[in-house]
Amino acid sequence: RKEVEQDPGPFNVPEGATVAFNCTYSNSASQSFFWYRQDCRKEPKLLMSVYSSGNEDGRFTAQLNRASQYISLLIRDSKLSDSATYLCVVNPGAGSYQLTFGKGTKLSVIP
Amino acid sequence: DTEVTQTPKHLVMGMTNKKSLKCEQHMGHRAMYWYKQKAKKPPELMFVYSYEKLSINESVPSRFSPECPNSSLLNLHLHALQPEDSALYLCASSLGGTLLNEQFFGPGTRLTVL
Repeated sequence: RKEVEQDPGPFNVPEGATVAFNCTYSNSASQSFFWYRQDCRKEPKLLMSVYSSGNEDGRFTAQLNRASQYISLLIRDSKLSDSATYLCVVNPGAGSYQLTFGKGTKLSVIP
Repeated sequence: DTEVTQTPKHLVMGMTNKKSLKCEQHMGHRAMYWYKQKAKKPPELMFVYSYEKLSINESVPSRFSPECPNSSLLNLHLHALQPEDSALYLCASSLGGTLLNEQFFGPGTRLTVL
């Protein structure tokens, strides 16, 4: 089983749609979880850290299910500017410097 | 200042050249990282400096040589590279010593080796 798995997509959705990405991780001892977005030929930018109780930031909601070892990201009311690759990232241990990246899910929001 | 800066943005070098990539942050972060990213792949960790000491070297070839002159600066010295080393080189930083370890990336240096 790969360490962090994501559906590669692409997800092509119309403006205004709601889209959800899921990610599974294999290391049950993993301590912290993130979603990054990466635009073409740019650096990854931290979108959200994912907390145990789930967290929301505007149109974005992240959820963590430790029992099933998956993380989700929900984007409501999609905008053209949301088009990017979304990377699920896991920190495998307390205080570890090494992040494990998923391969990313590509989202295209179409007018 | 909440950003990581990198220079140069683009670099083209021959296989016999020596060049350096530079990274700077002024967020008081004590951990700094070098990553390599090829097209359509996630970033791959190369090196980690924690409190200015090299703490992780992910079996990177010796033609890549990192240096951390102080807590704000990180360099990557390049010598005798191969064409397959062409990639986006990303620097990142994090607070260090925390459970969360949120990492913030610089804009990267796009390297082409001829």
